[in-house]
Amino acid sequence: NFMLTQPHSVSESPGKTVTISCTGSSGSIASNYVQWYQQRPGSAPTTVIYEDNQRPSGVPDRFSGSIDSSSNSASLTISGLKTEDEADYYCQSYDSSIFVVFGGGTKLTVL
Amino acid sequence: EVQLVESGGGLVKPGGSLRLSCAASGFTFSSYSMNWVRQAPGKGLEWVSSISSSSSYIYYADSVKGRFTISRDNAKNSLYLQMNSLRAEDTAVYYCARDASGDYAFDIWGQGTMVTVSS
Repeated sequence: NFMLTQPHSVSESPGKTVTISCTGSSGSIASNYVQWYQQRPGSAPTTVIYEDNQRPSGVPDRFSGSIDSSSNSASLTISGLKTEDEADYYCQSYDSSIFVVFGGGTKLTVL
Repeated sequence: EVQLVESGGGLVKPGGSLRLSCAASGFTFSSYSMNWVRQAPGKGLEWVSSISSSSSYIYYADSVKGRFTISRDNAKNSLYLQMNSLRAEDTAVYYCARDASGDYAFDIWGQGTMVTVSS
């Protein structure tokens, strides 16, 4: 089955830039849109990126998404890190056999 | 304000049933596909089921197929999940989520409702 693999955790200092990767196990990750969800402790997920690189209204432009076909991966980049960005981040895409697939999640620590 | 509010969670014994509801407001509910996503305690997100805007297309994760039934009432702006033959591994927070454009990109999430399956 198709899987999305994320690093378990990343950490960076306030004001810096961090990139979280999401690698597809097979096929072409560029074939279907990738989304990114932020989940703060004790809260529901919220969407920070949809359709590879689109930001919902209200999401600051410090958040950006991209696709790298050569490595079959998607990336979420957060610049100008703030302590409020500390959360779990999940990538998600579509697969014709299992429909919706989520990555395992990445815990971002801003220290 | 665009909003999804889940309800119906609770404690149920293994083999029991529960019906979750998701009330939508602030948008034209009948125009969007909807989904249920769950999260077991301390675990990641798991997609459960999807239903198209007119209920023509319905899909389930293998883990719930044959036990769960998704439905919607566009006149009541509501989404439902009927859960039967519940197992301990179904214990999770259940979220409803709106599909932004019919390509499984979720843009709006509810706050979730907790389901605990235990004797």
